[in-house]
Amino acid sequence: AIVLNQSPSSIIASQGEKVTITCRASSSISSNYLHWYQQKPGAFPKLVIYSTSYRASGVPSRFSGSGSGTSYSFTISRVEAEDVATYYCQQGSSNPFTFGSGTKLEIK
Amino acid sequence: QVNLQESGPGIVKPSQPLSVTCSVTGYSITTSYYYWNWIRKFPGNKLEWMGYISYDGSIYYNPSLKSRISITRDTSKNQFFLQLNTVTTEDTAVYYCARQDYWGVMDAWGQGASVTVSS
Repeated sequence: AIVLNQSPSSIIASQGEKVTITCRASSSISSNYLHWYQQKPGAFPKLVIYSTSYRASGVPSRFSGSGSGTSYSFTISRVEAEDVATYYCQQGSSNPFTFGSGTKLEIK
Repeated sequence: QVNLQESGPGIVKPSQPLSVTCSVTGYSITTSYYYWNWIRKFPGNKLEWMGYISYDGSIYYNPSLKSRISITRDTSKNQFFLQLNTVTTEDTAVYYCARQDYWGVMDAWGQGASVTVSS
């Protein structure tokens, strides 16, 4: 199975600050198959970025993604209070599909 | 617009089977090329992909669960089902159903069914 090492495990940021999450895969993944989700407390995971860099419908432009091969990143350019959530990377390249361990974002 | 809704038992006793139903509205589960998944979230936030049943009925399970899991469907009711056998307290989790596309994108999710394994 492809292991996704996600870091950091938690971030405490101020509103307006830029935050970046990294996701490193144990094997190379086509960028088409690397996706990012946001899960707010008590809610289901919501797709934010698909295929490395494409924003899902309705997702604000402050969210972005990049990467290739085994190294991917997810960035919120200016954090807002509503962005408090846990963020996960996920690979759909090979079965079993796997998720990163999650990054919990909190606001100072 | 696709909508998924899980329904589950709430509490299951150890060694018993766990069964969860996903009811899908707004989209047929036999439409190409979508896959219908089960994913669970453990206390502590880890997400585990459990398996899927595809639009054409083919099935793939996570090898870590292969001996205990079964995913089936009823196309007449537009539902698919999860059964996990011989559960332990380690199976306590929120169980989600989700629609997945060809690229592995989980683009629609249910609200989740919380299942606790306890005697």
